[in-house]
Amino acid sequence: QKEVEQNSGPLSVPEGAIASLNCTYSDRGSQSFFWYRQYSGKSPELIMFIYSNGDKEDGRFTAQLNKASQYVSLLIRDSQPSDSATYLCAVNPRGAGNMLTFGGGTRLMVKP
Amino acid sequence: DTGVSQNPRHKITKRGQNVTFRCDPISEHNRLYWYRQTLGQGPEFLTYFQNEAQLEKSRLLSDRFSAERPKGSFSTLEIQRTEQGDSAMYLCASTEQETQYFGPGTRLLVL
Repeated sequence: QKEVEQNSGPLSVPEGAIASLNCTYSDRGSQSFFWYRQYSGKSPELIMFIYSNGDKEDGRFTAQLNKASQYVSLLIRDSQPSDSATYLCAVNPRGAGNMLTFGGGTRLMVKP
Repeated sequence: DTGVSQNPRHKITKRGQNVTFRCDPISEHNRLYWYRQTLGQGPEFLTYFQNEAQLEKSRLLSDRFSAERPKGSFSTLEIQRTEQGDSAMYLCASTEQETQYFGPGTRLLVL
């Protein structure tokens, strides 16, 4: 079992729709969770982080964390073609000195 | 530009050659991380430094890989006797607390 799992996609949504990206992790003691966006050929760019159970909103983005289910998600409202990218879920495992364990990423395609 | 910088941005080398990459972190960040990313995969942690101390190096892929941060500022990652399987994007990230900010990466191609 991979430590952080994501559906590789592609996830295709029409412009203006809500895109829902999901991630599960195996280390129950994980403390912090991050979503990065990566355009083709570029480096990961931080979108947002979440530490506590529940929802955290930042503009069009909402991160959701459920530690009991070991599940974290990212919702993108009013999706735009410029949101088309790979979205990486990253987890800071327990006692790991802040090293991040990444999932393989989900490719999102927003169609005009 | 106050972000993380990496040089070179691209490197093409022949198998068996040594290569060295440089990372300059955000100036006030004391932690620096190296990751490797191959096509279609997420970044894979290699090693990290707090100031000049290398606190985790067990994830370096082989003894051909080494990293330094001699004065607690910039860092270098060296790969000796490169192999075709070393072809990847090498990413550096820095942080003051938990949130890591990535540099643009160095893309290595080993022929």
